[in-house]
Amino acid sequence: EVQLVQSGPEVKKPGESLKISCKASGYSFTDYRIVWVRQMPGKGLEWMGIIQPGDPDIRYSPSFQGQVTISADKSISTAFLQWRSLKASDSAMFYCARRDGYCSRSGCYRYFDLWGRGTLVTVSS
Amino acid sequence: EIVLTQSPGTLSLSPGERATLSCRTSQSVSSSDLAWYQQKPGQAPRLLIYGASSRATGIPDRFSGSGSGTDFTLTISRLEPEDFAVFYCQHCGSSPPHTFGQGTKLEIQ
Repeated sequence: EVQLVQSGPEVKKPGESLKISCKASGYSFTDYRIVWVRQMPGKGLEWMGIIQPGDPDIRYSPSFQGQVTISADKSISTAFLQWRSLKASDSAMFYCARRDGYCSRSGCYRYFDLWGRGTLVTVSS
Repeated sequence: EIVLTQSPGTLSLSPGERATLSCRTSQSVSSSDLAWYQQKPGQAPRLLIYGASSRATGIPDRFSGSGSGTDFTLTISRLEPEDFAVFYCQHCGSSPPHTFGQGTKLEIQ
């Protein structure tokens, strides 16, 4: 089955570090980019950054540059999102998603077609 | 960075009615880069429309997308009870960030 399986909920204290994961299965992990999306409680979707597994080029939203690190280990088909020092404001649901797309005569189409169920991160003293 | 503005913020309709959701971009974008997602409470977003007007796999034909340039529309022709959710548009261009609109909540009247 084609899916993205995310790691379980986390409860952390401010200042702690954290690494959450997103494991891909059912498709070739290195053929698709993986994106991370934040959703704060009761709020909308925020695009954080994107990685092409196996490629050193990782792009971050300016809002998240320097705040998180995105990585991937193609040997285990898993993408990661990590924090060095969490803040209470980092409490949110985090989704990973796969970017698919194709090019035709009418243009190149890109979209996020496969989503994980999300990892809830709670940061509280 | 391209900013996407969705309207209305909340849309209250009844099953069987037609829903029209708007997404406006801060600069002209290629239609091939505009997508729509549906998110129900407690669930991950689901791709509905890509390329402004192409339905994703398994999406009923009551969902349709249109538009070009800076103005895009998601239409649900006849609302079913399971359609009530929050809808997001997204610009998925070749250069990140792939920003989302702030969302439109479609609620049962």
